[in-house]
Amino acid sequence: AQSVTQPDIHITVSEGASLELRCNYSYGATPYLFWYVQSPGQGLQLLLKYFSGDTLVQGIKGFEAEFKRSQSSFNLRKPSVHWSDAAEYFCAVGEGPEYGNKLVFGAGTILRVKS
Amino acid sequence: NAGVTQTPKFQVLKTGQSMTLQCAQDMNHNSMYWYRQDPGMGLRLIYYSASEGTTDKGEVPNGYNVSRLNKREFSLRLESAAPSQTSVYFCASSGFSAGANVLTFGAGSRLTVL
Repeated sequence: AQSVTQPDIHITVSEGASLELRCNYSYGATPYLFWYVQSPGQGLQLLLKYFSGDTLVQGIKGFEAEFKRSQSSFNLRKPSVHWSDAAEYFCAVGEGPEYGNKLVFGAGTILRVKS
Repeated sequence: NAGVTQTPKFQVLKTGQSMTLQCAQDMNHNSMYWYRQDPGMGLRLIYYSASEGTTDKGEVPNGYNVSRLNKREFSLRLESAAPSQTSVYFCASSGFSAGANVLTFGAGSRLTVL
């Protein structure tokens, strides 16, 4: 069964600094990979997804992620963090395009932004 | 553009009480889901419905029941609430977007069982 590991529970960065959130997955075939963001008291919003093609994918709010098959990773990056990026970030992996019930989420990384 | 709407947003129950969480989506999606979110555990699937008239268990179904009332609505029922069911519950629906099935989430329902 697939699994997702987000090694960092909390990360604190200064406003304007770069950000990288780590995500490692365990899955045999080509996974469908997602990053979601959850602002306090809100639902989850899709930032970006990857399932084929260019391994560097662009998402909303200036985020990007790179799929590295050799490292089983799908790390999320942003060149310059804004205070409004403070939130919890979830990586998720699914089996194939119709993953349905097989979408597995990581435990999440809480991002704090200091001014 | 409402998306996925959940009610209630907050609820406090006593052990043994029952309640139903309501969820409705206006995106004409076939699939709908109920997740629970607990600190340090991410989101875990309780039940899902691939289409109107069908429901299936997810990872943590014990203590819950669901009803897919029609294509729009998918409710989650706790028949006899327990403190272990204190959590934040999210409803989601999914539709195809650029070749992948993408989930859209509601804002969540925070449930406390005393």
